[in-house]
Amino acid sequence: AQTVTQSQPEMSVQEAETVTLSCTYDTSESNYYLFWYKQPPSRQMILVIRQEAYKQQNATENRFSVNFQKAAKSFSLKISDSQLGDTAMYFCAFMKYGSGNTGKLIFGQGTTLQVKP
Amino acid sequence: DAMVIQNPRYQVTQFGKPVTLSCSQTLNHNVMYWYQQKSSQAPKLLFHYYDKDFNNEADTPDNFQSRRPNTSFCFLDIRSPGLGDAAMYLCATSRDTGYSTDTQYFGPGTRLTVL
Repeated sequence: AQTVTQSQPEMSVQEAETVTLSCTYDTSESNYYLFWYKQPPSRQMILVIRQEAYKQQNATENRFSVNFQKAAKSFSLKISDSQLGDTAMYFCAFMKYGSGNTGKLIFGQGTTLQVKP
Repeated sequence: DAMVIQNPRYQVTQFGKPVTLSCSQTLNHNVMYWYQQKSSQAPKLLFHYYDKDFNNEADTPDNFQSRRPNTSFCFLDIRSPGLGDAAMYLCATSRDTGYSTDTQYFGPGTRLTVL
């Protein structure tokens, strides 16, 4: 069975600064994807960034980037130039792919990020 | 512009009284998912439909059932809600299930309270 662990329940950062959210996972699967989702207060969850495990290059989406360490099973999210709109709960998620894949996402517990003005 | 709509946003029911939560989508996606998110916990998949094919997670209680009458709509039925079923219920859709680009689009959720 796969597990995803986010060890930081809450974090805060000053506007315009950089923050890194941690995520580790455990799996015996070879083929999988990793995701970071953002859930703003009272709003729906949206995808922030995705990483295919077979790719060595770290994914980047504008101010969001990941540090994917496959051997260590670590997948952290870096938010640069933090903005007030980044305030949200962030979930790390795992999805295996291949034969019989269902698209099931396995989520971590979440990290609540507050960006302070 | 809403793509995944959930109704109602807030639902209060009594212990043991059946309740139905609704999800609709305008994306014409093949797959619809239901996740349960209890307070301060990770969302957990209950089941999903691929088109008309229903796929139940092994640990989903029998108390939870689902219907998908057409591509656009999916319902979550809780036959006899207990206090432990109080949670946020998230509906999500995706075009397919095979690739990382099959992004799951989430609705805003329905918060269920059981009295």
